[in-house]
Amino acid sequence: GAGVSQSPSNKVTEKGKDVELRCDPISGHTALYWYRQRLGQGLEFLIYFQGNSAPDKSGLPSDRFSAERTGESVSTLTIQRTQQEDSAVYLCASSFSFLAPGLFFGSGTQLSVL
Amino acid sequence: AQSVSQHNHHVILSEAASLELGCNYSYGGTVNLFWYVQYPGQHLQLLLKYFSGDPLVKGIKGFEAEFIKSKFSFNLRKPSVQWSDTAEYFCAVNANSGNTPLVFGKGTRLSVIA
Repeated sequence: GAGVSQSPSNKVTEKGKDVELRCDPISGHTALYWYRQRLGQGLEFLIYFQGNSAPDKSGLPSDRFSAERTGESVSTLTIQRTQQEDSAVYLCASSFSFLAPGLFFGSGTQLSVL
Repeated sequence: AQSVSQHNHHVILSEAASLELGCNYSYGGTVNLFWYVQYPGQHLQLLLKYFSGDPLVKGIKGFEAEFIKSKFSFNLRKPSVQWSDTAEYFCAVNANSGNTPLVFGKGTRLSVIA
């Protein structure tokens, strides 16, 4: 596609429910990243994929968070049993390769946990 | 672990004023440095980057940044800001070796008033 696409753009959920966020990277980009931005905070690294594998999961805040990527394309970030502190903008980015210069970001998913 | 500090949370300038946004990082090795910008309602996009060579980097829209290795700094500058420069600016760094993702600062909000 022309850019990184994320869906949904907004998600409101109740505490305790599971949510799934989707990211479609730019076609041909092998590296894919998930970041989180809480209100008034910087971008917090969550996880990245090189192809279908995730060498670094150290940023995932808890075991309620998981991510997968299939076919070197779409990635989903799943948050189980959501908590209010999970409310944030979840940003996906992709790049041609892990060491390629610069990331291309999607518009993000605004998650609100009530 | 790398970290990035952006000391200015919110900067307010009049049009035509000069801009300098501070960015300091902590990492002892060779780094790649980036500035990203997020205009209101838009997604993050790359403003400029430094990998090696001339420490003074020119970016889009008249922005530039200078890498000062001895100060671990990569400050963003623009001689004369415009109202359209109103945005949030993020500094980011990653190690120039190995599999390390971009680490972002908390961002600086720039408001340019007419």
